[in-house]
Amino acid sequence: GAVVSQHPSRVICKSGTSVKIECRSLDFQATTMFWYRQFPKQSLMLMATSNEGSKATYEQGVEKDKFLINHASLTLSTLTVTSAHPEDSSFYICSASRRGRYEQYFGPGTRLTVT
Amino acid sequence: GESVGLHLPTLSVQEGDNSIINCAYSNSASDYFIWYKQESGKGPQFIIDIRSNMDKRQGQRVTVLLNKTVKHLSLQIAATQPGDSAVYFCADYGGSQGNLIFGKGTKLSVKP
Repeated sequence: GAVVSQHPSRVICKSGTSVKIECRSLDFQATTMFWYRQFPKQSLMLMATSNEGSKATYEQGVEKDKFLINHASLTLSTLTVTSAHPEDSSFYICSASRRGRYEQYFGPGTRLTVT
Repeated sequence: GESVGLHLPTLSVQEGDNSIINCAYSNSASDYFIWYKQESGKGPQFIIDIRSNMDKRQGQRVTVLLNKTVKHLSLQIAATQPGDSAVYFCADYGGSQGNLIFGKGTKLSVKP
């Protein structure tokens, strides 16, 4: 099967600091990776779509300068939350898909808490 | 705007009974639909998918029904078990970028 990992699984940071979340496809090449945010008892909301080697496409209302996405290789994408604030506390989930395929394979998520 | 929504936010069933989770979608151009299961603190897990040229697809203990006329999707779980307790999301590829759009989710609770 297609496995996607995320690191860290949980992170606590202080307000004003930056935190980086990694998303890796372990056994396939992910030409496209997606980043979602999920607040408690809510659905997944797409933040951005990134294709390997290209700039990410951000959804409306998502600040690209605050949520920096890098997809430098076919197996790794990173999301950096810059100058984090308590309202950024959420569950961040990545997914990855192969070229030309609909299927998205989801990571286990990262719980971010900003104090 | 385009959206995928659910009729019921919560569903409680007795162990061994069948469960039916419903979903309505709005984008008539959507041609691929997926059901995901999400356990607490984990990422979504693929359950079953269906393309728009089908109206029914069966998996192990699960069946997805698609009614394109009324833009309705359902997930049926046979002989529901405690391990089925989770939040279930329907999703379709209806976004402007061809991306996945998730419905609100239904929490399924299975009573022993």
